[in-house]
Amino acid sequence: KQEVTQIPAALSVPEGENLVLNCSFTDSAIYNLQWFRQDPGKGLTSLLLIQSSQREQTSGRLNASLDKSSGRSTLYIAASQPGDSATYLCAVLTGANSKLTFGKGITLSVRP
Amino acid sequence: DGGITQSPKYLFRKEGQNVTLSCEQNLNHDAMYWYRQDPGQGLRLIYYSQIVNDFQKGDIAEGYSVSREKKESFPLTVTSAQKNPTAFYLCASKEGLFRSGELFFGEGSRLTVL
Repeated sequence: KQEVTQIPAALSVPEGENLVLNCSFTDSAIYNLQWFRQDPGKGLTSLLLIQSSQREQTSGRLNASLDKSSGRSTLYIAASQPGDSATYLCAVLTGANSKLTFGKGITLSVRP
Repeated sequence: DGGITQSPKYLFRKEGQNVTLSCEQNLNHDAMYWYRQDPGQGLRLIYYSQIVNDFQKGDIAEGYSVSREKKESFPLTVTSAQKNPTAFYLCASKEGLFRSGELFFGEGSRLTVL
């Protein structure tokens, strides 16, 4: 059974800092990994999708990497801003039934 | 713009009542999903559908029912049999169940049982 872990559950950083959010998974036989952002009381917004054959994806100040063999992905946020404050979730697509497994998320607070 | 529309955004229900949450997508996606989100528990899959007139139970289907009569629509009914229905409900879709495409979400519906 696939398990996805995101540690720590919460993180507070000063504005301008570069930061890394971690996502680990137990079954390396994934099809893809997706990072999402969720603002309070809102749905999830897709940030980046990494296919199993890819090592990283970039969008603006965001860069996501994937290391299947070690069961890890990182989301790098450059020059963080207060507007980046949100919960960040990762999800992996695994198995013959294409099951999506979500982490519980990391709540990020960027202090002005 | 293409996307997923969930309604209502907020819903209040008395105990013993069934309620139906709407989910409509215009992304031409085959696969649609319903998730429940509770504080500290992450997202849990209720039901999913990979094609019209077909749907499968997820991890926590008890007390819920769905239909998929049209490709665009995947309504969720929360029945009186659901013991603890107060939660945030999220609908999602992607191109196909077995395709490794991007998953898109609606804005969610918050159900509160009074």
